[in-house]
This record gives sequence, structure tokens and C-alpha cells, in this order.
Amino acid sequence: GQQLNQSPQSMFIQEGEDVSMNCTSSSIFNTWLWYKQDPGEGPVLLIALYKAGELTSNGRLTAQFGITRKDSFLNISASIPSDVGIYFCAGPSNTGGFKTIFGAGTRLFVKA
Amino acid sequence: DAGVIQSPRHEVTEMGQEVTLRCKPISGHNSLFWYRQTMMRGLELLIYFNNNVPIDDSGMPEDRFSAKMPNASFSTLKIQPSEPRDSAVYFCASSLAEGRRQGAFFGQGTRLTVV
Repeated sequence: GQQLNQSPQSMFIQEGEDVSMNCTSSSIFNTWLWYKQDPGEGPVLLIALYKAGELTSNGRLTAQFGITRKDSFLNISASIPSDVGIYFCAGPSNTGGFKTIFGAGTRLFVKA
Repeated sequence: DAGVIQSPRHEVTEMGQEVTLRCKPISGHNSLFWYRQTMMRGLELLIYFNNNVPIDDSGMPEDRFSAKMPNASFSTLKIQPSEPRDSAVYFCASSLAEGRRQGAFFGQGTRLTVV
């Protein structure tokens, strides 16, 4: 079945550093969603991408829809301690219905 | 809007007991999802409803799990009997019909511990 592979699995960075993470699949997605999960909370949608090549920003976050439609990237600039959490990529299943496929997540740790 | 509301936030129960988790979706959303999150398996979709009708329950792990949506503003996930391996965080999420492109709104989750 469809799978989303996220890398890295975890990142330990210093406050102020830039962060880059990605999500790849063997199948094509027509939408890429990036969520963030704070500790003890549910995932919250950060950015949605709908077109190949699309680059979208949300504050210090920038995400790109890969040209091949099989990957997506999320960058965080000038990280701060509240960026800590798990970042998930997700996309609609191509089997129809309303199912969304989630990646395993990238855990971000920021040291002040 | 208050967002997706789940109750309880935490539940500790003994093995063999029945557990009922509750969810109130965002008003106007017609798709509802139940997910389970564990360290080992990540986020797993258990079941989703559209217009109160279960569309896909292939993620429900066993017959011990059941879910209902009696109306547009309420859903339950029941585990009977519960087992220690059911310990996880259970999330409810809701979206509009095309939410798979716009994303879903998640509740804060219910942390279930079965001892």
C-alpha cells in the first residue's frame, strides 16, 4: 500500500539553527500536508500543498511540493524552543474515499 | 469554534474492563476519524465515518473494538474487553468532505492506560 517515508527520524539542534526535513513516497500524491504535534496535544495542520513545484510559507516555515509529486520538504528557519514537537507529512490515499496517509514523523528537539 | 472535543483526556483501567472514548466533532464537519498513536506504530487510522456512516473500518484491530456515530455531533470508540496492549493515545479528528486535501482537525486525544 501507499507509504510515506520521513527523514530524519529525529533531529537535535541548537536554537537559531535552520531545520530541513523531507518526506518521500514511491507513489504520486496530488496533495501534501504538513502537521505539527506538540507534546501532549493532537496534530495541527501547518501547511497544505496542491501543485507540483509549489512553495508555500507560514511564518518561519516553508514547504515545497516536489516536481516528481513523490516528495515534499519542510524547512524551519531560525528555530526556537517552541518548535519542539513531531512533524508529520500526510497525503490523501489514492484508493478513494477520505483516507489520509501519515508518515512516521520527524521528532525535533531544540536546545536553548 | 471549540474545536474537536474528546473525553476523557486520560483513562486508566484494569484489563478486562470496558472503555468508552467520546468525541464531539467540529460543527458542520461531515467526516470523522478515529486514530491510535503509539511509539511503535505511529498514527494508525482505525475507522472513519462520512455523514455518520462508517466508510472504512479496516484499521480496527480486533472485534473488541467498536465505533458508533449516532448523530453528526457525537461519536464513541469502545474497547471491550480492554487489554494492556491497547494502551495508547486515541485521537478523534474531523473534516469537511474534501478534508483529505484541506486536512483534518484533531482533538487533544485520550491517553489510555490498561493495567
